[in-house]
Amino acid sequence: EAGVAQSPRYKIIEKRQSVAFWCNPISGHATLYWYQQILGQGPKLLIQFQNNGVVDDSQLPKDRFSAERLKGVDSTLKIQPAKLEDSAVYLCASSPGSGDLNEQFFGPGTRLTVL
Amino acid sequence: GQNIDQPTEMTATEGAIVQINCTYQTSGFNGLFWYQQHAGEAPTFLSYNVLDGLEEKGRFSSFLSRSKGYSYLLLKELQMKDSASYLCAVMDSNYQLIWGAGTKLIIKP
Repeated sequence: EAGVAQSPRYKIIEKRQSVAFWCNPISGHATLYWYQQILGQGPKLLIQFQNNGVVDDSQLPKDRFSAERLKGVDSTLKIQPAKLEDSAVYLCASSPGSGDLNEQFFGPGTRLTVL
Repeated sequence: GQNIDQPTEMTATEGAIVQINCTYQTSGFNGLFWYQQHAGEAPTFLSYNVLDGLEEKGRFSSFLSRSKGYSYLLLKELQMKDSASYLCAVMDSNYQLIWGAGTKLIIKP
């Protein structure tokens, strides 16, 4: 079974530039998550989708971050414009969306460096 | 507020046993997860506890006490490859995962 795919793996940009990340979840997984993980910290949930609807985006800085999940499969996360403090690893995860365990499976992440 | 506490860093010797503690205060409880994260890689699932008691899976075991808001991850027969960060996460009443900052485990020969 293929895992969660993300691209790019690494990205270096200058502040005020724009950047976009892409995620393809495990086939059949209804729930998709975008996390931001700053070095030395746990993941911070940015947005959660259930199929193509947003379940939780309370911690998404909506003045600069946006995300979409068209057709309830792939998702993109965009930052426009980027700030220095956005340097982090952006993790995408997916889960079946039901059941007691509802384990989250993570992609390899995109490491963003903002200069 | 919601809070997950775990030690920042621990050191142990190859072949030994180490226990990583996690305490939590969350709005509701729908299970506790432990994830392993090697440097530069994504977290991978280790264990899940929703009822009190011990769950054993090979060299790894996880314990939960809901009344105390406490869990631990026990790693036996430590190997060098166990050097990683171990993340404790609690699913709250809204089925959102609240993550700890992780415990960096250093294994020495």
